[in-house]
Amino acid sequence: DAGVIQSPRHEVTEMGQEVTLRCKPISGHDYLFWYRQTMMRGLELLIYFNNNVPIDDSGMPEDRFSAKMPNASFSTLKIQPSEPRDSAVYFCASSRVGLAATDTQYFGPGTRLTVL
Amino acid sequence: GDSVTQMEGPVTLSEEACLTINCTYTATGYPSLFWYVQYPGEGLQLLLKATKADDKGSNKGFEATYRKETTSFHLEKGSVQVSDSAVYFCALRPSNTGKLIFGQGTTLQVKP
Repeated sequence: DAGVIQSPRHEVTEMGQEVTLRCKPISGHDYLFWYRQTMMRGLELLIYFNNNVPIDDSGMPEDRFSAKMPNASFSTLKIQPSEPRDSAVYFCASSRVGLAATDTQYFGPGTRLTVL
Repeated sequence: GDSVTQMEGPVTLSEEACLTINCTYTATGYPSLFWYVQYPGEGLQLLLKATKADDKGSNKGFEATYRKETTSFHLEKGSVQVSDSAVYFCALRPSNTGKLIFGQGTTLQVKP
């Protein structure tokens, strides 16, 4: 299996620009998670989906952030407009069906975002 | 709210030394507890887990015991290797939810 695939791996953009991060979960996994990792705040859950439906978006920092999952094999995290404080590594993770199964979340390699 | 607190790093050890990374948690109900590991430039990987009190999780020589009375889940290894150098995250999953709540992470550096 290819594992969780994220693109791009690195993104450098200027303040005010729109940024779109992409994730392909492992085939057959029904849960998808978006995390943000920074030195100051550590690893934070932003949002997670079950069967393409957002279940908990309480970690989304503000309206500039939005996430979608149009089908079982693709999700996007969009930041519009971007700000320097959004600079972080963004991870996508997926897991199999069932709450207990979410114990084992498989993480992608991350997207390192730098907003200048 | 639910939270996880880990000892601050970095932790620097010589090869074959004993390792303990402390982790305590605050949670209502009966959470599941985990240790994840992150190698440089990679995403996190599940190292071990325990789903109820007194359970011991173990993998690759690492162990941790779910202690409800002290709300702790300390990670231990008897003899570390250079290849164990990584960042270790303690985490909990509250009951009836799919979300994981992570500690701040502890960097381990093992020198030859």
